[in-house]
Amino acid sequence: DQQVKQNSPSLSVQEGRISILNCDYTNSMFDYFLWYKKYPAEGPTFLISISSIKDKNEDGRFTVFLNKSAKHLSLHIVPSQPGDSAVYFCAASDTGGFKTIFGAGTRLFVKA
Amino acid sequence: KAGVTQTPRYLIKTRGQQVTLSCSPISGHRSVSWYQQTPGQGLQFLFEYFSETQRNKGNFPGRFSGRQFSNSRSEMNVSTLELGDSALYLCASSKMPGQGADTQYFGPGTRLTVL
Repeated sequence: DQQVKQNSPSLSVQEGRISILNCDYTNSMFDYFLWYKKYPAEGPTFLISISSIKDKNEDGRFTVFLNKSAKHLSLHIVPSQPGDSAVYFCAASDTGGFKTIFGAGTRLFVKA
Repeated sequence: KAGVTQTPRYLIKTRGQQVTLSCSPISGHRSVSWYQQTPGQGLQFLFEYFSETQRNKGNFPGRFSGRQFSNSRSEMNVSTLELGDSALYLCASSKMPGQGADTQYFGPGTRLTVL
């Protein structure tokens, strides 16, 4: 039972364009959502998060949007750069628990 | 300060053997979580330890076990290895449990291959 789903295993984008990575969740108890970035041979690193009381959070080129009614969140990267090429994991947690559920990841390729 | 370290980085074992992986958290971090990463499955939560106690456990068989020492270092053990146990095993540390995954810092992982 995958509570957090990233249905696109990969995404290819031209440098300078927008990258949109999508994530769906099923558990309505989730109230905190995160994106991680992972380069090969390294552990995931935290990128950006959003609380369920917000619908948007922005940090530089990265913006996360949350649609609670649709149980959907997305990560926008504008403009995309070749260094953004990595695997992006969506994750969700609830403040009452101590467990974070990760999606399967989306591999982003940014072409120069 | 030093990040999360995991040893060994690579490991090759055969079916039926057992393996022990080690994780040293960031200094001052007392919570350690373990994850299994496989293609198509993402990061699957194994367990979390805090103050030498397992606080949470994922849906893995009893062949997967772990422990935490008084210095917060943690080990995980997999007994009777199966081919499907081949994966990247990631350790993450945080100061306290339950503060949110943005406070977790991941190690580079141990790549386990079971032949």
